[in-house]
Amino acid sequence: QKEVEQDPGPLSVPEGAIVSLNCTYSNSAFQYFMWYRQYSRKGPELLMYTYSSGNKEDGRFTAQVDKSSKYISLFIRDSQPSDSATYLCAMSYNQGGKLIFGQGTELSVKP
Amino acid sequence: GAGVSQSPRYKVAKRGQDVALRCDPISGHVSLFWYQQALGQGPEFLTYFQNEAQLDKSGLQHGPSDRFFAERPEGSVSTLKIQRTQQEDSAVYLCASKRNSATDTQYFGPGTRLTVL
Repeated sequence: QKEVEQDPGPLSVPEGAIVSLNCTYSNSAFQYFMWYRQYSRKGPELLMYTYSSGNKEDGRFTAQVDKSSKYISLFIRDSQPSDSATYLCAMSYNQGGKLIFGQGTELSVKP
Repeated sequence: GAGVSQSPRYKVAKRGQDVALRCDPISGHVSLFWYQQALGQGPEFLTYFQNEAQLDKSGLQHGPSDRFFAERPEGSVSTLKIQRTQQEDSAVYLCASKRNSATDTQYFGPGTRLTVL
């Protein structure tokens, strides 16, 4: 069993929909939680970063962390075709340490 | 505005060949990471440098075994070397750098796509 589980999709939604992406993890030692976006043939780019449990909002994106359930989520409001990409959750044990990634969820937003 | 660059972008190797993949981190970034991303998977950690010191190579030791080596002799450019390539080494190799050990954001390069025939 992998340390971080993520449904690979693919997930297809119409433009303007609310998208919910999530990951579960098994190791309670994870302290830092991130969401990366990866376009085809590009490297991952950081979208959201949170420490411990709670919510964080940035524009159309909201990240949630529930450490008691070992569950993290990313919500995208008013999704756009330009949001079509693979979304990777990532976690680390310590600040600035190596990242443990989920498998990635492929999202397609249809105009 | 230079980000992390990697070369070559694409590499085709015959099984058994040695390959060397290069990473140029963002200027002044102290920390450098290598990850391996198989098709349809998330990146998996290989190794970590702080300046020229290789502080964590746990990902090289029990995934790709002893055919994978990395170096960063002057604390800037890094090379990932794969000896006697195997078909299972086919993947995208990603390099990431960050300003220092305390900061959080890793900036990724575009990766080198390695295909072993």
